[in-house]
Amino acid sequence: DIVLTQSPHSLAVSLGERATISCKSSQSLLYRSNNKNYLAWYQQKPGQPPKLLISWASTRESGVPERFSGSGSGTDFTLTINSLQAEDVAVYFCQQYYSTLLTFGPGTKLDIK
Amino acid sequence: QVRVQESGPGQVKPSETLSLTCTVSGDSISSSRYSWAWIRQPPGKGLEWIANIYSGTTYSNPSLKSRVSIFVDTSKRQISLTMTSVTAADTAVYSCARLLGDGFNPWYFDYWGQGTLVTVSS
Repeated sequence: DIVLTQSPHSLAVSLGERATISCKSSQSLLYRSNNKNYLAWYQQKPGQPPKLLISWASTRESGVPERFSGSGSGTDFTLTINSLQAEDVAVYFCQQYYSTLLTFGPGTKLDIK
Repeated sequence: QVRVQESGPGQVKPSETLSLTCTVSGDSISSSRYSWAWIRQPPGKGLEWIANIYSGTTYSNPSLKSRVSIFVDTSKRQISLTMTSVTAADTAVYSCARLLGDGFNPWYFDYWGQGTLVTVSS
């Protein structure tokens, strides 16, 4: 199984500041044949289902604010939230689809400082 | 707008069979571009992909494969999950979601239901 680890487990950031969440994979998620990283990021607010934010490690979904961005390649990935807003309070988790045995990271809880 | 809604019993007894239904509206239930999946999250733990169904074929997490089956009823626009011989470890929020990609190459989940809590307890 591909294991995804996220750090930190939780963080608190001031409004307007930047939040950075890391997702590390136990093996590379980069398919060399198409040069794509098979990683997605989700946001889950309390009482709501997960919302897809980013696919292919860095492709923002339609309607997702530009302050959300994904980066990284291979085994190390980052979700960055610029200019944090109050509505960004949520749990964020990554998911790999390099393997047909789909796995998720444990999640990172983001709060306002 | 795609809407996904799970339903089922809130409690199941140990060793019995869990049955859940997912009803989809706002989109075709059959497509070559995606499949329908079940995911669960035990209290305080991470998400676990259970299985998905694509063109009538079920793809399951090996850790659950022998206990899980999925069925699609296109006339009712429903995807059903059954899990046999449940134990307390199967207590979780069970969610239905649309999974982009095909059966051999599943990708990511773009629409999720709210999820339904199932407690395994006598």
